[in-house]
Amino acid sequence: SAVISQKPSRDICQRGTSLTIQCQVDSQVTMMFWYRQQPGQSLTLIATANQGSEATYESGFVIDKFPISRPNLTFSTLTVSNMSPEDSSIYLCSVDLRGFPEAFFGQGTRLTVV
Amino acid sequence: QQQVKQSPQSLIVQKGGISIINCAYENTAFDYFPWYQQFPGKGPALLIAIRPDVSEKKEGRFTISFNKSAKQFSLHIMDSQPGDSATYFCAASIRGGAQKLVFGQGTRLTINP
Repeated sequence: SAVISQKPSRDICQRGTSLTIQCQVDSQVTMMFWYRQQPGQSLTLIATANQGSEATYESGFVIDKFPISRPNLTFSTLTVSNMSPEDSSIYLCSVDLRGFPEAFFGQGTRLTVV
Repeated sequence: QQQVKQSPQSLIVQKGGISIINCAYENTAFDYFPWYQQFPGKGPALLIAIRPDVSEKKEGRFTISFNKSAKQFSLHIMDSQPGDSATYFCAASIRGGAQKLVFGQGTRLTINP
């Protein structure tokens, strides 16, 4: 399996500011995914982060709001920009590990925007 | 087309009972159906998964039943234990695997001792 570390684990931020969430994996992976889990709700895929190319965003999510970096095969960041209270969610990093059919998730970053 | 509908939203079961959670999908291109278990403050973790070429898969106390014609699948937890209390998500993906999982709405399961 994979060990996925997310930082920070939680944060409280002022509206209008930005927060960058880090995701570190203990092995090289081709694809990394960022999900949003709004309070009491399901997980929604924000984007797929591929090393060496631009991230692919799902419908309803745009790069200006959620810029993503993928500098190497073990690391990615998601930035939540110009935050509003509606961005208060848990943000989860997930990886596709070769040889395993399932997705592995980090513990998530709980973001509260005030 | 891309939705996975999950029910019930919450479920309370007595210890030793059977917990049943149901999911339905519309996109016939889905070919991988995992169930994830999530405890508070943790990320989801794979519990059990099935592909559409089988109708049932059992791992310990956990069983997935799959009805391809009805486009439905369900999770059965036998002999439910308090430690099973968690939120359960069904999901589906195309081309089988971790890529672009579509999640159900989640079921908060509580097992009363």
